[in-house]
Amino acid sequence: QQQVKQSPQSLIVQKGGISIINCAYENTAFDYFPWYQQFPGKGPALLIAIRPDVSEKKEGRFTISFNKSAKQFSLHIMDSQPGDSATYFCAARRSYNTDKLIFGTGTRLQVFP
Amino acid sequence: NAGVTQTPKFQVLKTGQSMTLQCAQDMNHEYMSWYRQDPGMGLRLIHYSVGAGITDQGEVPNGYNVSRSTTEDFPLRLLSAAPSQTSVYFCASKGPGVGEQFFGPGTRLTVL
Repeated sequence: QQQVKQSPQSLIVQKGGISIINCAYENTAFDYFPWYQQFPGKGPALLIAIRPDVSEKKEGRFTISFNKSAKQFSLHIMDSQPGDSATYFCAARRSYNTDKLIFGTGTRLQVFP
Repeated sequence: NAGVTQTPKFQVLKTGQSMTLQCAQDMNHEYMSWYRQDPGMGLRLIHYSVGAGITDQGEVPNGYNVSRSTTEDFPLRLLSAAPSQTSVYFCASKGPGVGEQFFGPGTRLTVL
C-alpha cells in the first residue's frame, strides 16, 4: 500500500508562478518529512525538510507547510523558474533507529518561460 | 570527497544472468541503502545497512542480495536477473542523527 500519497503526478507552471505539490501520510509514527529534487539522469538531492513539531519551514523560494492533524504536508515553490523543472519527491521517515525513508510517487514539474 | 559513487552507469543483461551493482561512499557513513526507481512508483527501498556486517530487507527485497563487509562499500547482487528488475537503481548513504541521505548518480539496468 502507498503510505505516502503524492499529487499531482505532473505540473506545468508559468515562470514566476507558484508551484504547489501535496503529500498525505497515514502512519503517525513518521517523524521527519524531507523533500527531494531530482534532475534527469541524476540522483535525488535533499531540497528541504521539516519535523512534525513545526507548521512551516522556509528556505529561499521553497516552503514546506505541515498540517499534523490532517496528516498532510506540501511544498510551495514561489517565483518558479525554468531551472526548477525537475521531479520532486516527498518522503517520510519511519523511525529514528533505522532511518528508512518512504517516498511518494513523484511530481514532474515543468516551468515554462 | 567523491560522495556516493555507483558503477556501472548502464547495464544490459539477459534473463537469468547475474551481476553486482557497486556502491561506495567516502563520507564514513554507517547507514547505506539501495532503492529502485520505476515510473509512477517513486523510490522503493530494496535493502539497507546500519553498519558493517549488518543488513536488513526493505520493501522490495526479493531477487536481490546484499552484504556489507566494510563501511565504504555496499554492493547489490542480482543472482538471476528477470525483466521485472529493469529499473534505475540508486545507492544512498547517511550520517548519524536526523539528516540528509546522499544519493549516488544511479545505475540504469535493462533485463532482456
